[in-house]
Amino acid sequence: SQTIHQWPATLVQPVGSPLSLECTVEGTSNPNLYWYRQAAGRGLQLLFYSVGIGQISSEVPQNLSASRPQDRQFILSSKKLLLSDSGFYLCAWRSGGAREAYNEQFFGPGTRLTVL
Amino acid sequence: AQKVTQAQTEISVVEKEDVTLDCVYETRDTTYYLFWYKQPPSGELVFLIRRNSFDEQNEISGRYSWNFQKSTSSFNFTITASQVVDSAVYFCALSEARTGGFKTIFGAGTRLFVKA
Repeated sequence: SQTIHQWPATLVQPVGSPLSLECTVEGTSNPNLYWYRQAAGRGLQLLFYSVGIGQISSEVPQNLSASRPQDRQFILSSKKLLLSDSGFYLCAWRSGGAREAYNEQFFGPGTRLTVL
Repeated sequence: AQKVTQAQTEISVVEKEDVTLDCVYETRDTTYYLFWYKQPPSGELVFLIRRNSFDEQNEISGRYSWNFQKSTSSFNFTITASQVVDSAVYFCALSEARTGGFKTIFGAGTRLFVKA
């Protein structure tokens, strides 16, 4: 069965510090991968989307970046965190191809980031 | 443009009451998919159901039921005889086949409190 891991689970970082959040998927090949951010009491905002190694689409211009160095690994980074980067970060995967719109997404447990 | 509206921010009910969560969507595509996800306090979103735009049959799964009406662009979710374990944030989401599905749009979510 498929499993998706995220770490760390929680993180408290000072403003201006760097960030690296990691997401890995097991049990599937060539998944489409997503990073979402959920601000307190709000819905999900799509940050990045990837259909393959090295292929990243950014949905929201900001000081975050994403990379996909391996098929089942997705990394979210920042060189300098802002207060507004605080939130709950969720990684998700979905089977791609012609039926991508039809397929449900599977979410990881999330990382709660607090920037002070 | 795609849009999903969940007008109810929070709902509080007493155990065993029935509760309906509303979802209204906007799309220009003729082929699209609607989803409901549950986010328990642990944070990980869990897929509940999918409906495609050509299937307006209502669906029942145990205490859960879904009412899809294209005429009103609504996809409402009813929990019958609610239980404390139903307490969670529930998200309605929309994927359009035309845009390839990657840009799934989530509603802002409805937080459901079920009191014992």
